[in-house]
Amino acid sequence: DAGITQSPRHKVTETGTPVTLRCHQTENHRYMYWYRQDPGHGLRLIHYSYGVKDTDKGEVSDGYSVSRSKTEDFLLTLESATSSQTSVYFCAISGADEQYFGPGTRLTVT
Amino acid sequence: GQQLNQSPQSMFIQEGEDVSMNCTSSSIFNTWLWYKQDPGEGPVLLIALYKAGELTSNGRLTAQFGITRKDSFLNISASIPSDVGIYFCAGRSGGSNYKLTFGKGTLLTVNP
Repeated sequence: DAGITQSPRHKVTETGTPVTLRCHQTENHRYMYWYRQDPGHGLRLIHYSYGVKDTDKGEVSDGYSVSRSKTEDFLLTLESATSSQTSVYFCAISGADEQYFGPGTRLTVT
Repeated sequence: GQQLNQSPQSMFIQEGEDVSMNCTSSSIFNTWLWYKQDPGEGPVLLIALYKAGELTSNGRLTAQFGITRKDSFLNISASIPSDVGIYFCAGRSGGSNYKLTFGKGTLLTVNP
């Protein structure tokens, strides 16, 4: 298995609070991605990174920010969580064409 | 943006049967990938295809990269109960920072 961990694995938070999800890799891959997965929508790209401090928006980036200060870590921040951000969040890494996914974080915003 | 149409959305089959699912796109892709996701886990890469016409196997799984580069299919032979899960296709077009476009998945249920 690709060396990808996500933390926390589960989180319940209240509307309006900030939340940070962490993705950590041990593969030294250049590219890292954050997706959300919702019923009926499949996997949707939030943000991605193509190198340290190099990030760009995906198709559903509103309300989310990211940071990558080290090759191995990619952080996803919800500045002020809303109920519409209740979802399962997956991190993925790739060196080229093949993407490998982490185990996911289930986030519930009440 | 690009869209992938994956079908069928769900399948209910008997153990031992063969399964086929496919993805089509209005755009050309340079790479096709097939993933499987078990409940509560992340998608796992099953097969990667890099060339039009390519046919690749992984155990009981066989996938093909369509000649037009706009479609791909996945076959599972002699299904077993552990094949249950959601199968996703994904495609990559050129020059996209290796971003993928995903199908919405095929839910496979296998009746023992």
